[in-house]
Amino acid sequence: GQQLNQSPQSMFIQEGEDVSMNCTSSSIFNTWLWYKQDPGEGPVLLIALYKAGELTSNGRLTAQFGITRKDSFLNISASIPSDVGIYFCAGKYSGNTPLVFGKGTRLSVIA
Amino acid sequence: NAGVTQTPKFRILKIGQSMTLQCAQDMNHNYMYWYRQDPGMGLKLIYYSVGAGITDKGEVPNGYNVSRSTTEDFPLRLELAAPSQTSVYFCASSFSQGVEAFFGQGTRLTVV
Repeated sequence: GQQLNQSPQSMFIQEGEDVSMNCTSSSIFNTWLWYKQDPGEGPVLLIALYKAGELTSNGRLTAQFGITRKDSFLNISASIPSDVGIYFCAGKYSGNTPLVFGKGTRLSVIA
Repeated sequence: NAGVTQTPKFRILKIGQSMTLQCAQDMNHNYMYWYRQDPGMGLKLIYYSVGAGITDKGEVPNGYNVSRSTTEDFPLRLELAAPSQTSVYFCASSFSQGVEAFFGQGTRLTVV
């Protein structure tokens, strides 16, 4: 099946630091989504991207749809303890195909 | 705003038992999905539905069945539970295919 490579797998950062994570695909996507999952909860949508080159912010979060349409990046500025969780990227190929999810980046914030 | 509701939240099954995981959404979404999440493995699509009466297999459908008799409900059935089906199951819905999906809180299933 189709696969997304998400990195890093996990991160330990100090409170106040900025965070970057990314997803890459071997195929072209026409939609990229970023989700966050808190422990014991379902994933919650953070940012949706629909056009190559698109840069979208949601508070301290910024995500970009790569120009090649094969990658996407998520940045979190000035991290806080509540940023802890697992961040998933998800993408969609053209046509009538469901979303494909990456394996997630587990973020830990040290106060 | 209920969104996507899954029941039960937790369940322990014995090998060979059957059960149905319930999922309901009140957003009038046509598209509904079932995923399983294994530790460190992300989300894998089991089945999905593009509307009432229409279902299709995802990446890992073996051992599961679904039905979609109404827009609101999308139950997932396990007929003969196996230890490999121990996982957290998430139901999701979306307005259309491939756009943002809204997830339920999950059902944690253990098969012993």
